[in-house]
Amino acid sequence: GAVVSQHPSRVICKSGTSVKIECRSLDFQATTMFWYRQFPKQSLMLMATSNEGSKATYEQGVEKDKFLINHASLTLSTLTVTSAHPEDSSFYICSAGTSGVSTDTQYFGPGTRLTVL
Amino acid sequence: AQRVTQPEKLLSVFKGAPVELKCNYSYSGSPELFWYVQYSRQRLQLLLRHISRESIKGFTADLNKGETSFHLKKPFAQEEDSAMYYCALSPSGGSNYKLTFGKGTLLTVNP
Repeated sequence: GAVVSQHPSRVICKSGTSVKIECRSLDFQATTMFWYRQFPKQSLMLMATSNEGSKATYEQGVEKDKFLINHASLTLSTLTVTSAHPEDSSFYICSAGTSGVSTDTQYFGPGTRLTVL
Repeated sequence: AQRVTQPEKLLSVFKGAPVELKCNYSYSGSPELFWYVQYSRQRLQLLLRHISRESIKGFTADLNKGETSFHLKKPFAQEEDSAMYYCALSPSGGSNYKLTFGKGTLLTVNP
């Protein structure tokens, strides 16, 4: 089946620093990738839709200058949390779409736990 | 705006008992509905989708447009079914269109 990886799986950083999270589709090409945020015991909230070769589309309330998304290739999207603060601490999950394969659906990465001190 | 409601945060049943996880949605068009499952320490994965009309691991879900519901059912729960279940909605298709998730229901199947 389709596999999506995320790196790092866990990161701790100081307040004010920037953190980059990578999302890769390992065995398929994904024209669209999605970034979600999940708070403890809460559901996934879509942050943005990342399209290869174009600007990401952000959901209402998500600061595009805060959460920089780059979809440089059909297998890689990155999320950079700029000038991170403790309130940015969360679980960040990406997914990638696989249209054209037998199962037309999104596959999810394992998530990245960000802790900002 | 689209919305997915899962009224039960927690659901506990005994092994062999029937289980039903409720999901209601609101959307002005004809959405596609999904159930995703997240087992302990594992990533989110697709369980089933309404257009497939299939049974996965004994689970089924029927889209009721009149009641705007997509409840997940299994006649005989197993301990390995214990997991977090999320109902999700997409405006059209599942691969390149954003998903709106419910808050999830934690199912515990007791021995």
